[in-house]
Amino acid sequence: GAVVSQHPSWVICKSGTSVKIECRSLDFQATTMFWYRQFPKQSLMLMATSNEGSKATYEQGVEKDKFLINHASLTLSTLTVTSAHPEDSSFYICSVAGNYEQYFGPGTRLTVT
Amino acid sequence: GQNIDQPTEMTATEGAIVQINCTYQTSGFNGLFWYQQHAGEAPTFLSYNVLDGLEEKGRFSSFLSRSKGYSYLLLKELQMKDSASYLCAVSISGGYNKLIFGAGTRLAVHP
Repeated sequence: GAVVSQHPSWVICKSGTSVKIECRSLDFQATTMFWYRQFPKQSLMLMATSNEGSKATYEQGVEKDKFLINHASLTLSTLTVTSAHPEDSSFYICSVAGNYEQYFGPGTRLTVT
Repeated sequence: GQNIDQPTEMTATEGAIVQINCTYQTSGFNGLFWYQQHAGEAPTFLSYNVLDGLEEKGRFSSFLSRSKGYSYLLLKELQMKDSASYLCAVSISGGYNKLIFGAGTRLAVHP
């Protein structure tokens, strides 16, 4: 399967600032990537589907202007949380679409103070 | 809409067998996945069923009945390290292998 990394693994930022999370596919051409958010003791909620070279498709209720996704290459997708607020504190996980399964990154813990 | 149901919590004894059920009603079906997730970590792939029947892989087995919208994950010879959340996810049609996750079942294995 694909090896997927995320950076940073955890980040603390102040309310009102922006933070960028990187998702890299180390050994697999990632045409499609997914971004999820997971609150404590809850399951993964799909935020958006990211396709290389085109605009991301956001799930209902996810603000595209707040969660900016860029997927400019087959190895890198980024999620930028703009004007972060404490309610954006969560575990953000990316995944790479394989032939039939998804390969998950290790996740990024975001805390907004 | 999409609906995937699984029990919230289960407990079991080390060495025993546990079955975690999952029922689903989704717009389209392209296969069902089971993932294991330890707290604070990313999910790891356990199994994939696209046809009816039982798939066995070591201590883990997964069953699917598409007509009933039902799956289960069977864990045998439970070990303490099996304490984790188990996520049922359905791949829905429409391209990109989009996954819809259930809420997850937190399994606690006791000595």
